Order: sequence, then structure tokens, then C-alpha cells
Amino acid sequence: GESVGLHLPTLSVQEGDNSIINCAYSNSASDYFIWYKQESGKGPQFIIDIRSNMDKRQGQRVTVLLNKTVKHLSLQIAATQPGDSAVYFCAVLEGFQKLVFGTGTRLLVSP
Amino acid sequence: DAGVIQSPRHEVTEMGQEVTLRCKPISGHDYLFWYRQTMMRGLELLIYFNNNVPIDDSGMPEDRFSAKMPNASFSTLKIQPSEPRDSAVYFCASSLTSPWDEQFFGPGTRLTVL
Repeated sequence: GESVGLHLPTLSVQEGDNSIINCAYSNSASDYFIWYKQESGKGPQFIIDIRSNMDKRQGQRVTVLLNKTVKHLSLQIAATQPGDSAVYFCAVLEGFQKLVFGTGTRLLVSP
Repeated sequence: DAGVIQSPRHEVTEMGQEVTLRCKPISGHDYLFWYRQTMMRGLELLIYFNNNVPIDDSGMPEDRFSAKMPNASFSTLKIQPSEPRDSAVYFCASSLTSPWDEQFFGPGTRLTVL
């Protein structure tokens, strides 16, 4: 089955900095990837997704990069704000049926 | 829309008791998912439904767990008997027309089994 891992459990940044959160996956056939944000006491919330036919996708202050060669994706947050403090999960669609979530990276933004 | 609604928000029970968690998906969504989140195992899919029919229950830990969806607006996850290792946050999510559509999560039920 799919396994999804994260390089860093916690990332601390200063307000205004750019943040980069990384994620590795194991199945080279995976073709759909999503980033979720989970604030304390709440359920995960969709941020941005990307399909395997793309290597970059941009949203509002967020960019997801996909490197299929090394099976790696990253979430970049520009001008990080205190409200961005949360746990971020990458998720991979397995077998076109269900999402497998990574273990999460906690982003701490200090003013 | 009020989003996905879960109840109760917190549940504390004793080992051996039956626990029932409830979920109301977003109206019009065809898919409903039950997840469990723990520090050790992260977020795990337990089971999901399409149009009230269970599609994949391979994530259900054991026979003590069961889930039903009697209609499009209501689902339950039951644990009987409960054990301390079942302590976790249980999330319900729904999506519009496919498993890869954006999944909208409820606020979760924090279950503590003593």
C-alpha cells in the first residue's frame, strides 16, 4: 500500500518568512496529491491539490511542487502569518479510491 | 450550509461500554468517510460510503467497530465493547461526487476510554 512520510515533524518560522513543508511518497503510480491544514481542535481543511501531469500549482500564498522523479512534494507558504500556525498533512490518493495521509508537520509562526 | 456535523464532541467512557459516534454530512454529498486520528498512527481511514453503501471497510480495526449509513444525511460509527486503545479523535468527512473531490471534515469527536 501507499506510505507517506514527512521529513520534519516541526517547523518554526518568523512571521513574514516563506515556509516550505516537505512530503515523500512511495508509490510511483500515485497521480493525485493534496495538502491539508489542521488547526488545533478542528478537522483538516483542504488547501491545494495537484495531479501528476503537473509539477507546480499555485494558490493564494501557497504553491505545491511535485517531483515525480524522486517522489517528493512540497508546500510553500509565502509571507507566513501567525494564522498559518497549524499541522499540515500531505495526502496521496491510493487506487483512485482513498486518501492516505502523512503523519503531519507542525508549523509554528512567531511574530 | 453548516458543514459536516458530528456528535458528541467529547465522549468519556469506561472500558467495555458501547460507544456511538454520529455524523451528518453536507447535504448533497455522495461520499462519507470515517477517520481516526492518534498521535502514533496519524489520520487513518476506517471506512467510507458512497450513496449510503459501504465501499471499503478495510481500515476498520476489528469486529468491535461497525458503521452504518441508514440514509443520506446520517451515519454512525459504533464501538462495542470499547477499549482504552480506542481513545482517539474520530473524524467524519464528506465529498461531493468522488473520493478525490475535496473532502470536508467535521470538527471530530474526542473519545477517551478509561
